[in-house]
Amino acid sequence: EVQLVESGGGLVQPGRSLKLSCAASGFTFSNYGMAWVCQAPTKGLEWVASISTGGGNTYYRDSVKGRFTISRDNAKNTLYLQMDSLRSEDTATYYCARQRSSGHFDYWGQGVMVTVSS
Amino acid sequence: DIQLTQSPSSMSASLGDRVSLTCQSSQGIGNYLSWYQHKPGKPPKPMIYYATNLADGVPSRFSGSRSGSDYSLTISSLESEDTAIYYCLQYDEYPYTFGAGTKLELK
Repeated sequence: EVQLVESGGGLVQPGRSLKLSCAASGFTFSNYGMAWVCQAPTKGLEWVASISTGGGNTYYRDSVKGRFTISRDNAKNTLYLQMDSLRSEDTATYYCARQRSSGHFDYWGQGVMVTVSS
Repeated sequence: DIQLTQSPSSMSASLGDRVSLTCQSSQGIGNYLSWYQHKPGKPPKPMIYYATNLADGVPSRFSGSRSGSDYSLTISSLESEDTAIYYCLQYDEYPYTFGAGTKLELK
């Protein structure tokens, strides 16, 4: 059974950092691209970032470029999102998702909440 | 960036009704469009991928179609468990973009 379990969320002050993790199991992690998608309170879904199978290719939405870094450790079957210089508008539930070779997301984690507030 | 316009933004329908939700793309994305069902407190659930393909475990009352740059998600006979927000996603090119969602409620 495919499982994606996020962790690392919480309350953080503006300007500080947070690192999210997504532990994957039930499939060969290194064979799949991965992504982070978020949903701010009362808002819709937003794609945040994606990473290729080996980690050599990464993609970001404009609002997080230079602040967020997506990475993966295939030996640990874990996806990460390093979030620096956090802003109040980054407050959201963050989901990790498995990305098929064609690009769509076929499995999602339960999500982890990030609140940026002083 | 590619814009996806979903319509209507919300709707209500009765049990057993045929319901169609629409997603219009601002530029050509081929069939690289998927649909997700989202309920409060749950992760999004894949419903349709590559515009017309049913995701694993999705009931056959759901279907996807495409006409040019217009994409539709149709429920042939609405059931109570189908109430949710439905989002379309284009994955033709980065940055991937979601539509704003259609909230589907029971009348």
